[in-house]
Amino acid sequence: DAGVIQSPRHEVTEMGQEVTLRCKPISGHDYLFWYRQTMMRGLELLIYFNNNVPIDDSGMPEDRFSAKMPNASFSTLKIQPSEPRDSAVYFCASSLDRGTGELFFGEGSRLTVL
Amino acid sequence: GEDVEQSLFLSVREGDSSVINCTYTDSSSTYLYWYKQEPGAGLQLLTYIFSNMDMKQDQRLTVLLNKKDKHLSLRIADTQTGDSAIYFCAESDTNAGKSTFGDGTTLTVKP
Repeated sequence: DAGVIQSPRHEVTEMGQEVTLRCKPISGHDYLFWYRQTMMRGLELLIYFNNNVPIDDSGMPEDRFSAKMPNASFSTLKIQPSEPRDSAVYFCASSLDRGTGELFFGEGSRLTVL
Repeated sequence: GEDVEQSLFLSVREGDSSVINCTYTDSSSTYLYWYKQEPGAGLQLLTYIFSNMDMKQDQRLTVLLNKKDKHLSLRIADTQTGDSAIYFCAESDTNAGKSTFGDGTTLTVKP
């Protein structure tokens, strides 16, 4: 399996622009997670899905952030409008089931908002 | 809510042992994990321990769990420069379906 695939790897945009980050989880994994990593706040869970249904979005910082999972093999995290404080590395991770809870992470999308 | 804490930095010499410590608050944690993050990459699971165990060994890695004190440690024997990375402690309550991560310990191995 190719692992969790994220795109783009790097994105530089200007404040106010819309940003869409994409994730393809490992086939057969029932859970999908979006994390944000910054120096100041460490690794923060933004939202997670189980069987394509959002379960907990309490970590989503503001209404500017939205996430969707239209099918088992694709998820998006959208920021509209983007702000400089959104600059971070955004990770997608997937998990097979509640079992051991092992998370498989993608390589991350590094977002810079100017 | 759940909280996981770890020291931020550790520096050791090549060939020495490294011990990274972690404390957690959730008494219903089912599994405890150590993840490794190399520069520019995502986190990768190193090892995990089930909450009813107190020790797990895997080659150069030894995990110790003190459930009473809610303390977890990762010992890396014969530390190599390739072990330089950020190490994250995490706990999961499988009923909750999600994991809580610490802030990560940056391990620097000096030749």
